[in-house]
Amino acid sequence: DAGITQSPRYKITETGRQVTLMCHQTWSHSYMFWYRQDLGHGLRLIYYSAAADITDKGEVPDGYVVSRSKTENFPLTLESATRSQTSVYFCASSGSSGKNIQYFGAGTRLSVL
Amino acid sequence: GENVEQHPSTLSVQEGDSAVIKCTYSDSASNYFPWYKQELGKRPQLIIDIRSNVGEKKDQRIAVTLNKTAKHFSLHITETQPEDSAVYFCAACQGPQTGANNLFFGTGTRLTVIP
Repeated sequence: DAGITQSPRYKITETGRQVTLMCHQTWSHSYMFWYRQDLGHGLRLIYYSAAADITDKGEVPDGYVVSRSKTENFPLTLESATRSQTSVYFCASSGSSGKNIQYFGAGTRLSVL
Repeated sequence: GENVEQHPSTLSVQEGDSAVIKCTYSDSASNYFPWYKQELGKRPQLIIDIRSNVGEKKDQRIAVTLNKTAKHFSLHITETQPEDSAVYFCAACQGPQTGANNLFFGTGTRLTVIP
């Protein structure tokens, strides 16, 4: 579990500001994912990446941007934060060896005021 | 896309009793079904998973069953203990064969084990 880290763990920002959440994994996993967790909705996929320079939208991508220039990093950017983006954000990674097991980071709790 | 429904949303059991959580999925192409446990303030962690070529899998006090025909899968926890109290999520995935590694999660079940 220590192989995937998220930063910051807590963030407070204001409406309209840009904020970037970082995710770093040391396993050289091909796949990386960003989820948001809200009460009553479980975990919803925002974006995912199958490899460096390959990203794709998930269930709730609006208002978010991702990039993956290196295999180990997968930052998530909120270009203009809104109150509805207040949530807990989890990054996850998985390998491509036929296993689908996703390992989650510790999460970032984001509050947009 | 895949739609996973999970029931119940909350479940309270006496210590030592069994707990059962049920999920249904919509996409017949899904072939991998993991269960995650999330303790308060912690990250989700995989506790057991099952693939579509297997009907049941056990690991000590936890077991998962899969009915592909009915598109149902369930988590069974026997001899529950207070440390089993957590939120449990089921998920479904089409698997790497199709190039899809995305998990579609249920909305979670908050299990409380009463000492």
